[in-house]
Amino acid sequence: GAVVSQHPSRVICKSGTSVKIECRSLDFQATTMFWYRQFPKKSLMLMATSNEGSKATYEQGVEKDKFLINHASLTLSTLTVTSAHPEDSSFYICSARDRGSGALNQPQHFGDGTRLSIL
Amino acid sequence: AQTVTQSQPEMSVQEAETVTLSCTYDTSESNYYLFWYKQPPSRQMILVIRQEAYKQQNATENRFSVNFQKAAKSFSLKISDSQLGDTAMYFCAFMKHATSGTYKYIFGTGTRLKVLA
Repeated sequence: GAVVSQHPSRVICKSGTSVKIECRSLDFQATTMFWYRQFPKKSLMLMATSNEGSKATYEQGVEKDKFLINHASLTLSTLTVTSAHPEDSSFYICSARDRGSGALNQPQHFGDGTRLSIL
Repeated sequence: AQTVTQSQPEMSVQEAETVTLSCTYDTSESNYYLFWYKQPPSRQMILVIRQEAYKQQNATENRFSVNFQKAAKSFSLKISDSQLGDTAMYFCAFMKHATSGTYKYIFGTGTRLKVLA
């Protein structure tokens, strides 16, 4: 089945540091990837839609200068949390849709998530 | 705007019993897609089952089945013969067409299911 690899799984860093999270589709090409944020015991909130070769589409209320998204290839999207602060601590999850799956309404495949802790 | 509501924050069921998780949604669209995802303690999101709104027949996947009531905008998940491995957070998701040209999920708040031995 389709596999999405997310790295790192956990990161702890000091306030003010920038952190990069990678999302890779291992056995399929993904023109579209999604980045979610999940607070403890809460639902997934879509942050942005990452489109290969073009700018990401951010959801309302998400700071695009704070959460930089790059989708330079069909198998890799990155999320960089710039100048991270304790309030950015959260669980971040990426997902990808298989470009070859046909219709755009096919299910998304999720990564294992990244737990970010800012001290 | 579309919303997805899961009214049961927590539920428990005895092993081998049947449990139903509720989900309601609000939309003005006529064609859409609904999903149930499972998030075990490992935190990975796993697709359980999906339903196309234009299909009247309820989807089934082994022990998992849905009761899709389009007029009532209800999409409940039934788990039969519950197993300890079913313990997880369950999210109902509505897929909508976004202005960016792609489709995106709207997730419910989740139901934490615990299967008791």
